[in-house]
Amino acid sequence: KNEVEQSPQNLTAQEGEFITINCSYSVGISALHWLQQHPGGGIVSLFMLSSGKKKHGRLIATINIQEKHSSLHITASHPRDSAVYICAVPHNTGNQFYFGTGTSLTVIP
Amino acid sequence: DAGVIQSPRHEVTEMGQEVTLRCKPISGHDYLFWYRQTMMRGLELLIYFNNNVPIDDSGMPEDRFSAKMPNASFSTLKIQPSEPRDSAVYFCASSDTNYGYTFGSGTRLTVV
Repeated sequence: KNEVEQSPQNLTAQEGEFITINCSYSVGISALHWLQQHPGGGIVSLFMLSSGKKKHGRLIATINIQEKHSSLHITASHPRDSAVYICAVPHNTGNQFYFGTGTSLTVIP
Repeated sequence: DAGVIQSPRHEVTEMGQEVTLRCKPISGHDYLFWYRQTMMRGLELLIYFNNNVPIDDSGMPEDRFSAKMPNASFSTLKIQPSEPRDSAVYFCASSDTNYGYTFGSGTRLTVV
């Protein structure tokens, strides 16, 4: 069993749709990261959160520590949001990470 | 700050050749990580350093892989000899102890 599970693996949406990507983890953590990787591109850290909710533009990340679950939401999705979104949680040593396998999002105009 | 800088961006080499990937972390970050990303296995941690010292290299696939960090501003990942199954994107990332975490743009390695 993977320490970090993401769903869905693949997601296709129409421009403007509200998108949710889910992440469940089995280890105790102090913070969770959401990463974004564009096709052929590098990886960008979107959020690091340890409780509650964070918002950046059209992106919202929430976490429920008790349920060991986090969600990444994209409002008013746009084709430029097409990317792979990866959930990562730190190992109990603090500086290694367990990664989800990613959610590949395609937003169609 | 220019972020984490990796070079080269792309590398194509023949099987059996030595490959060296380079990384310059963000100044002041005391952790440096090397990751490999493939379609089959996703993102895998290979090795990480703290204050230039290798802490955990259990993710390094085999003895053909080696990593060094001679100083706080430079690290290398070397594969010798390279094999086609090493073809992947290799990412370097650095962080500080507050979990600030930044990836480089990656090196796409193709071994033919």
